[in-house]
Amino acid sequence: KAGVTQTPRYLIKTRGQQVTLSCSPISGHRSVSWYQQTPGQGLQFLFEYFSETQRNKGNFPGRFSGRQFSNSRSEMNVSTLELGDSALYLCASSLDPGSETQYFGPGTRLLVL
Amino acid sequence: EDQVTQSPEALRLQEGESSSLNCSYTVSGLRGLFWYRQDPGKGPEFLFTLYSAGEEKEKERLKATLTKKESFLHITAPKPEDSATYLCAVHPNYGGSQGNLIFGKGTKLSVKP
Repeated sequence: KAGVTQTPRYLIKTRGQQVTLSCSPISGHRSVSWYQQTPGQGLQFLFEYFSETQRNKGNFPGRFSGRQFSNSRSEMNVSTLELGDSALYLCASSLDPGSETQYFGPGTRLLVL
Repeated sequence: EDQVTQSPEALRLQEGESSSLNCSYTVSGLRGLFWYRQDPGKGPEFLFTLYSAGEEKEKERLKATLTKKESFLHITAPKPEDSATYLCAVHPNYGGSQGNLIFGKGTKLSVKP
């Protein structure tokens, strides 16, 4: 069974640009969560989607947004990039919001110059 | 404020030298506590979920325990392949679903042969 896939794996952008990251969950999983990982702050929850609806949102500015499609694939978008947005963005999938286990993808490494 | 603190930040062990990692948490109602392992350049890999004080779970050389305020990850006779960053996360009661995990900053374990 294929794991969680994220594309692209690496990305370099400049301040002010926007970026879209993609996540394909494990087949059959319908819940997708996004996290930002930085050396200073560690892993921080961004948002969670289930059945194309955002269920939870972390404490991030409105520049961070996401969506989920009918096939459970998810995208997150960051507009007006800032240097501090440089991070590893991780996607995790689970069967549904009540599932015990979240499975993480390899992440997308974003560097903002 | 809900918080997860892991100690030590880094731990160096000789192969076969057993030790414990600590995760202390402050949360208004605990739905579950999770341990993950993260290798460099990869996403976190799920290890254990603990739900109530006194609960213990084991997997190979790893054993996780839970009290009302902290969790321990005991590593017995570690091998070099156990080298990784170990992450602790809690799911608070108000989160609504597992997506709202609060992570500690991790303990980086190095096991030398």
